[in-house]
Amino acid sequence: EIVLTQSPATLSLSPGERATLSCRASQNISPYLAWFQQKPGQAPRLLIYDASNRATGIPARFSGSGSGAVFTLTISSLEPEDFAIYYCQQRSMWPLTFGGGTKVEIK
Amino acid sequence: QVQLQESGPGLVKPSETLSLICTVSGGSISGYYGSWIRQPPGKSPVWIGYIRYSGDTNYNFSLKSRVTMSIDTSKNQFSLKLNSVSTADTAVYYCAIGRAYDSWDYWGQGSLVTVSS
Repeated sequence: EIVLTQSPATLSLSPGERATLSCRASQNISPYLAWFQQKPGQAPRLLIYDASNRATGIPARFSGSGSGAVFTLTISSLEPEDFAIYYCQQRSMWPLTFGGGTKVEIK
Repeated sequence: QVQLQESGPGLVKPSETLSLICTVSGGSISGYYGSWIRQPPGKSPVWIGYIRYSGDTNYNFSLKSRVTMSIDTSKNQFSLKLNSVSTADTAVYYCAIGRAYDSWDYWGQGSLVTVSS
């Protein structure tokens, strides 16, 4: 099973600041890495698929990068609605797995 | 607008079987893969498995011995059964559908299932 390690566990930032979230896989999964956003009481929402492709309707301030086993989600300028938990997820190998999550909270 | 709704008991006793149904509205389930994902309280999501509209299945090997999925295209529904449950199976259970076996284009709102005597 591929293990995804996300860092940091919590990111405390102010609106307007840049957020950089990291996801490291236990082996090469390129490019089959997705990023999800989850707010309390809601299902996860797809932001990025295949490392760098924005899903339909996702604002341009969200961008994904990386290859091999190291990936990054960047939010260029945090909006109030961006404070949430973010998960990375791989579809390179069965079973599909998620990372432990990064909580982006208001500083 | 495609919508999904999970339904089933919110409380299941240990050693019994958890059963959930996902009803799809606003579109046909044919041509989609139906997936189940669960999320224990305060933890990350866990993929349980998928069922294709043809009936083909693929389960997470960690749960494979206890999971059964089925589909009823005439009712636009697919279902999950998880037997021999324990408190570790307490989670919010989500159903989702996608055009590929590893994509989830639409999600249900989630159904909290608590395993307790």
